[in-house]
Amino acid sequence: EPEVTQTPSHQVTQMGQEVILRCVPISNHLYFYWYRQILGQKVEFLVSFYNNEISEKSEIFDDQFSVERPDGSNFTLKIRSTKLEDSAMYFCASSTSGGYNEQFFGPGTRLTVL
Amino acid sequence: EDQVTQSPEALRLQEGESSSLNCSYTVSGLRGLFWYRQDPGKGPEFLFTLYSAGEEKEKERLKATLTKKESFLHITAPKPEDSATYLCAVLNSGNTPLVFGKGTRLSVIA
Repeated sequence: EPEVTQTPSHQVTQMGQEVILRCVPISNHLYFYWYRQILGQKVEFLVSFYNNEISEKSEIFDDQFSVERPDGSNFTLKIRSTKLEDSAMYFCASSTSGGYNEQFFGPGTRLTVL
Repeated sequence: EDQVTQSPEALRLQEGESSSLNCSYTVSGLRGLFWYRQDPGKGPEFLFTLYSAGEEKEKERLKATLTKKESFLHITAPKPEDSATYLCAVLNSGNTPLVFGKGTRLSVIA
C-alpha cells in the first residue's frame, strides 16, 4: 500500500542552524501539507502546497519557514534559523484532492533544537 | 478562544461498551469537519470528512455525525485495537487555516 515517507525520523540541531525536513508524498497525489505537533499539544497546520505554490499558510509559517518541491517526488520544509520552540514532531501529508480531504500522513520527523 | 473543543479528554471503555466522542466548534462558516485517529508516535490517520449538518459517515465500528454546532464520533462495540487518540479538525470559511482540537484519548480494555 502506498505511503508517505519522511526523513530523517529524528533530527537534532543547535539553535540558529538551518534544517531541512524531507517528505516523499504518495506518487499520484497533487496536494501537499506540513503540520507540527509540539509534545503533548494539538496538531497545528503550517502550510498547504499545490501546483508548485503555497495555497494556504498559518501564522506559524513565518519568514523562517519555506517549502519546496525540488523534483517530482520530494517535498521539503526548511527552517532557516531554528529556535528552541521549533522543537516538535513535523508531519507531512498528501492527498489527491484539495480541501484537506482524505490526507495521508507520514510518520513524522522529531526535531529537537538544543 | 478555542474554535474546536473535544470531550472528554480521556475515555476508558470495556470491550463492547459503545460510546460517543464529542467535537464542538465555533466557526462562522464551516467548510469541513475532519476526524482522524492518531496512534502514539505516529501521524494522524484520516477517518472522515463531514461538510453539512445532518451528514453521517460510517466506517467499520465508527460513525461520525454533524450538527450546526458539534460532531459526534460514535464507537459501537469497540475492541482494544480501537484504542488511540481521536482528533477533530475544522476548516472555516475565509483565510483561516485548519484548526485541530486537543483530541480524546480512548482506551478500550479487554
